[in-house]
Amino acid sequence: GAGVSQSPSNKVTEKGKDVELRCDPISGHTALYWYRQRLGQGLEFLIYFQGNSAPDKSGLPSDRFSAERTGESVSTLTIQRTQQEDSAVYLCASSLGWSRTPGAETQYFGPGTRLLVL
Amino acid sequence: GENVEQHPSTLSVQEGDSAVIKCTYSDSASNYFPWYKQELGKGPQLIIDIRSNVGEKKDQRIAVTLNKTAKHFSLHITETQPEDSAVYFCAASMGGGSQGNLIFGKGTKLSVKP
Repeated sequence: GAGVSQSPSNKVTEKGKDVELRCDPISGHTALYWYRQRLGQGLEFLIYFQGNSAPDKSGLPSDRFSAERTGESVSTLTIQRTQQEDSAVYLCASSLGWSRTPGAETQYFGPGTRLLVL
Repeated sequence: GENVEQHPSTLSVQEGDSAVIKCTYSDSASNYFPWYKQELGKGPQLIIDIRSNVGEKKDQRIAVTLNKTAKHFSLHITETQPEDSAVYFCAASMGGGSQGNLIFGKGTKLSVKP
């Protein structure tokens, strides 16, 4: 079946501009996660959506970062007034979520969006 | 909050040898420990995971062991092949609820020399 998809795959922007990154999770997955990966580094948690619950925004690095999710489908991550330190790969993952099914917490990642802020 | 340490940061082995990567975690409430493989330019791919109610899990050439008392877990790859070359990440989470996100180690770059 289709995996997690993300768009665009690459984005180059100028400092100060806003960018929107999109994630399409696996169908039926109630949980969706955004992570940031700086060059040569591990993944850094940003935000987590679970069904209709309030999202866990504890990983967002500043108020320039925000994310939305419509129901249990597409999510967009928005970075306002981009800075050079925002340059990174932004990864989205989804999982079955609250289900007691074995493996419900397993997160499947998309290919990422490579963001370069000049 | 949870903190995951991963060692070594780089590992070079000869084809056919074994590779071992070790991780420690800080929060005893963590109960789910996946390992991901990331190839250049791609997103991480799950290769194996273990839950806190078991001590070891194997899948062909890959195995993971978990020591809850010591709060560490390890990835073992036997009979390594050049296609095993990639960056490997360990992670920990409480597997759902308000803290379902994964906390990742910084990664191990594995090189398998033919």
